[in-house]
Amino acid sequence: AQSVTQPDIHITVSEGASLELRCNYSYGATPYLFWYVQSPGQGLQLLLKYFSGDTLVQGIKGFEAEFKRSQSSFNLRKPSVHWSDAAEYFCAVGAGGSQGNLIFGKGTKLSVKP
Amino acid sequence: GAGVSQSPSNKVTEKGKDVELRCDPISGHTALYWYRQSLGQGLEFLIYFQGNSAPDKSGLPSDRFSAERTGGSVSTLTIQRTQQEDSAVYLCASSLSESYGYTFGSGTRLTVV
Repeated sequence: AQSVTQPDIHITVSEGASLELRCNYSYGATPYLFWYVQSPGQGLQLLLKYFSGDTLVQGIKGFEAEFKRSQSSFNLRKPSVHWSDAAEYFCAVGAGGSQGNLIFGKGTKLSVKP
Repeated sequence: GAGVSQSPSNKVTEKGKDVELRCDPISGHTALYWYRQSLGQGLEFLIYFQGNSAPDKSGLPSDRFSAERTGGSVSTLTIQRTQQEDSAVYLCASSLSESYGYTFGSGTRLTVV
């Protein structure tokens, strides 16, 4: 069965510092991979997605993620964090085909220090 | 509409009462999903509708939970005889297909007292 692990529950970084949020998945084939962001009181917004091809994908708000098959990872990165990036970030995996739903990790809460 | 609309945004109900949560997906999106988000937890899949196919109900936690989607558009999630452990944010999402990713609504915060 598919599963997603986000090892870090809460991360604090200084504004302007770089960021990496970790995501590991379990799935036999190449999955669909997603990162979503949730601001307080809001729904989830899609940041980026990976299906195939180039393993480094660019998303909105200056985020990028790299798919590493050998490590079953899809880590999210940003070179310089802004205070407005403070939110909760969710990694998700999908099997595609007839299995239509995504499996989400438990999320990583990002705090940004001024 | 431009986005996924959920109503009500907040619902407080007494234990044992039934509640209905509504989701209005993006026009043309054939897939519709319900998830539950409890405090400190990730998103728990509940049910998935795809076009005219039978829904995937594998995530519904008990037979008190049911959902329908009328005319391939609006969906209603019904929780009968609510319990305190049902308190959570219920999120609806729609998509053209899984590969496009989901568009989420803002959710309904359900509080059972």
